[in-house]
Amino acid sequence: QSALTQPASVSGSPGQSITISCTGTSTDVGHYNYVSWYQQQPGKAPKLMIYYVSDRPSGVSNRFSGSKSGNTASLTISGLQAEDEADYYCSSYAFSSTPYVFGTGTRVTVL
Amino acid sequence: QVHLVQSGAEVKKPGASVTVSCKASGYAFTTYFMFWVRQAPGQGLEWMAILNPRDGNATYTQKFQGRVTVTRDTSTNTVYMQLSSLRSEDTAIYYCARSPRRLGAYFDYWGQGALVTVSS
Repeated sequence: QSALTQPASVSGSPGQSITISCTGTSTDVGHYNYVSWYQQQPGKAPKLMIYYVSDRPSGVSNRFSGSKSGNTASLTISGLQAEDEADYYCSSYAFSSTPYVFGTGTRVTVL
Repeated sequence: QVHLVQSGAEVKKPGASVTVSCKASGYAFTTYFMFWVRQAPGQGLEWMAILNPRDGNATYTQKFQGRVTVTRDTSTNTVYMQLSSLRSEDTAIYYCARSPRRLGAYFDYWGQGALVTVSS
C-alpha cells in the first residue's frame, strides 16, 4: 500500500484560503469515507484536525474544512493565519494488508 | 483530561531491542484502540501496529512482522511497543495514538513521542 500523494508545499498570505489535496486510489480514499487530517507543528506530535472526511473535533477552528471527490480528499484552510504554518498529513483507511495509510505530507507556509 | 505519556529517548546499538511505553490516563483504557506510528527524521508518518487493550490482541503491518511486539498492562493502563533487531533505519520518533475504532481509525490523542536513535 503506497502512501497517499500530497503536494510538498502550499503557501498563502494571511487571510487567504488554501487547499491541500490528498490523492489515493479506489481502494483507500475512493472507497471509504475514512479520511482524516493532522497538523504537526515543528517538534510536536500530530494533532487531529478533521476526521471522516469533513467532521471537525471539538476545539478545532471552523476555518478548517474537509471534502472528498473520487480518489482525492482535500483540506481547506480559510482565513489563513500565521499559527497555521505547519506540516499537514492526510490519512485513510485502505482495503489492504496495510489498512492504515498516511499521506506524504504538505508544508504550509504563511507568507 | 486525556493524556498519553511516553517513555523517554533511547540510544541503541544495531541488533539490539528497544521498548517504548505509553501510559494512558483520563479515559476508559479498554475502550479505545492504541496505535503505534513512527516518523523518521524529516519524513512522514508510518503506521506500525494496533492493539486492542480489551483483549490484548495486536496486529502489525507486514513491514515490521516478526520484529515488533505490542502488549499492554491493564493494571497500569500502559501499552508497550518492543522493536527488535534494530538497524539504523529504525532511527525515528515513535508515537502512540488512540482511536475510538479499528475500521476507519482516526487518532484523536497522541503521545508526545519517543526518539529512538540506532547508532554504533
